[in-house]
Amino acid sequence: KAGVTQTPRYLIKTRGQQVTLSCSPISGHRSVSWYQQTPGQGLQFLFEYFSETQRNKGNFPGRFSGRQFSNSRSEMNVSTLELGDSALYLCASSLVGGLTDTQYFGPGTRLTVL
Amino acid sequence: AQKVTQAQTEISVVEKEDVTLDCVYETRDTTYYLFWYKQPPSGELVFLIRRNSFDEQNEISGRYSWNFQKSTSSFNFTITASQVVDSAVYFCALSEGTSGTYKYIFGTGTRLKVLA
Repeated sequence: KAGVTQTPRYLIKTRGQQVTLSCSPISGHRSVSWYQQTPGQGLQFLFEYFSETQRNKGNFPGRFSGRQFSNSRSEMNVSTLELGDSALYLCASSLVGGLTDTQYFGPGTRLTVL
Repeated sequence: AQKVTQAQTEISVVEKEDVTLDCVYETRDTTYYLFWYKQPPSGELVFLIRRNSFDEQNEISGRYSWNFQKSTSSFNFTITASQVVDSAVYFCALSEGTSGTYKYIFGTGTRLKVLA
C-alpha cells in the first residue's frame, strides 16, 4: 500500500501571500490530520477531517483552514502568510481517527516564508 | 501543563551502546493510548509502537523494547546495540479523549545521535 503523500515537498512564499498544501491519505483511510512542526513549538495539532467534515481543531488562527474531499484527500490553506508560519507541515492519516487509531504520517511540506 | 514530557533533549551514544529514551505522560483518562514515532532527517514520522492503557506488558521488537509503567506514568523506549541508522528524533505521543473528542499530544522529542 502506498503511504501518505504530500505535495509540494518544498515551498517558498513571501509575507502576505497565501498557500495551499495537499495531502493524499493511505488508501482506505478516512481521517486526515494536519500538524505544524517548528523548532520552538514542536509538533502542534492544526485540525482533523473525517468524511469531509472538520472534526477536531487546534489553537490556530482563522488564517489556517482546510478541507477534505470525497476521496479523503485533504488540502490545507494558509492565508496572509507571516514569517512565523515557516515550518514543516505534516499530514497524517488513519482509518477512522479517534482515540484508538494509529496515525501514519507523510513526508511533510517545508514552507519557508520570506 | 506539559502532558507528554521527554526530558532528554539530545543523547549521544557510540555505536553498539544501549540507550533508553524516557517518556512521562499525564492524563486523567483511564483509557488512553501511547505511541512512539521516529523522525529521521527526511522529516517523515515513522510509527514504531502503540500501547493502550490496559496493557502493561513490555514489548520487544528486534533491537527495540518498550517499558510501560502506569504506576510512574512512563513509557520508555530502549534501543539495544544502537546503530548509526538509529540516529533520528524520537517522539512519544499520547492519545486521550472522551465523547468523540480526542487529542493526539506529542512530546518535544529526543534527538538521538549514534556515533560510529
